Amino acid sequence: LAKTTQPISMDSYEGQEVNITCSHNNIATNDYITWYQQFPSQGPRFIIQGYKTKVTNEVASLFIPADRKSSTLSLPRVSLSDTAVYYCLVGFNTNAGKSTFGDGTTLTVKP
Amino acid sequence: DAGVIQSPRHEVTEMGQEVTLRCKPISGHNSLFWYRQTMMRGLELLIYFNNNVPIDDSGMPEDRFSAKMPNASFSTLKIQPSEPRDSAVYFCASSIGTRGRETQYFGPGTRLLVL
Repeated sequence: LAKTTQPISMDSYEGQEVNITCSHNNIATNDYITWYQQFPSQGPRFIIQGYKTKVTNEVASLFIPADRKSSTLSLPRVSLSDTAVYYCLVGFNTNAGKSTFGDGTTLTVKP
Repeated sequence: DAGVIQSPRHEVTEMGQEVTLRCKPISGHNSLFWYRQTMMRGLELLIYFNNNVPIDDSGMPEDRFSAKMPNASFSTLKIQPSEPRDSAVYFCASSIGTRGRETQYFGPGTRLLVL
């Protein structure tokens, strides 16, 4: 499982675009990049997944450069309800015994 | 689809008692994961099943923990005997996909408190 590095926390204001970057230098050729969102007292929820270039859905966009050693989750025009922890996961999650989701990025959206 | 179903949602028990957590994965999914989440240790993968077979249980803390998946629609995580340090939120997740491209769907979790 590729090791990932994300900022521990980020602050933003309502209506702004938020970009969260994840580093994954040892990503394998077959690995996809998946982002999850977790609200307090809930399980993580799938947001978006990609392999290269750009992926967009109704919730977010995912930008992946050609070398795939990093990825950026972009949340357009955030609202207070986007306050959550965001996790970047690379590859297949079989690294049992460790916190494979890492610490994630705690995003706080302020009014 | 109802999503991943877990029961009970909350469990309070005394040290030494047996605890059984249950999970019903999404129909058609072929992988099932049990996680534990605490403030100190984050989200830890305990065990992973593929096609009802345990593939990796190296995350199971000790012999007090055991997990089974008797069929594709049901799994249990058992703690016997329970200890206060087992207090955590336990999540079950299921997925379908090829290696390297997994999308996991999580249940609502079971909040366990061992007194």
